[in-house]
Amino acid sequence: DSGVTQTPKHLITATGQRVTLRCSPRSGDLSVYWYQQSLDQGLQFLIQYYNGEERAKGNILERFSAQQFPDLHSELNLSSLELGDSALYFCASSPRTNTGELFFGEGSRLTVL
Amino acid sequence: GNSVTQMEGPVTLSEEAFLTINCTYTATGYPSLFWYVQYPGEGLQLLLKATKADDKGSNKGFEATYRKETTSFHLEKGSVQVSDSAVYFCALSKGRGGSEKLVFGKGTKLTVNP
Repeated sequence: DSGVTQTPKHLITATGQRVTLRCSPRSGDLSVYWYQQSLDQGLQFLIQYYNGEERAKGNILERFSAQQFPDLHSELNLSSLELGDSALYFCASSPRTNTGELFFGEGSRLTVL
Repeated sequence: GNSVTQMEGPVTLSEEAFLTINCTYTATGYPSLFWYVQYPGEGLQLLLKATKADDKGSNKGFEATYRKETTSFHLEKGSVQVSDSAVYFCALSKGRGGSEKLVFGKGTKLTVNP
């Protein structure tokens, strides 16, 4: 158990819909990262937050947005969903900067039909 | 930009066989290098890391040496077990501006048969 909690574990929805994925980082960790894992693209970095502020942005679509709340949990919002958004979405946390050591949750599997 | 290339899988071995999974990287400066492992149905977890040239990371019988001259960080294990069956990811981090986001390779699936 990494200490990072993600909900929901599985989600099935239709094209055009909007979903919210939630992540609770390890106790005391200030950084939260979101990654998308798909068969064709592998693991893609989406976005990082540090203590409520956006710190780095990767290959995140404009239809996607995220935020980190004062209690440090984070949410990833995916809207106008397309079939190609079906993937496993991982959240990870890290207590310090510049270490590269991340602690991953078990992921949220999104299926868009 | 920064990138990681690792050998395509899947890799299938018999128990007690020797394992090598190749990983090379492209990055400016001196990245930190990592191997992460993903067991079925779980998230990724750090297996080992090296932060400077010639460092050797090791854990659970796995080893990898940071080779700057060949820009490589190959993963090795002398005798694999069925429980090592998983997907292995090589990754690098540059940690610019306080961001330690990882850049991952595509992963190599390992299956170890009894």
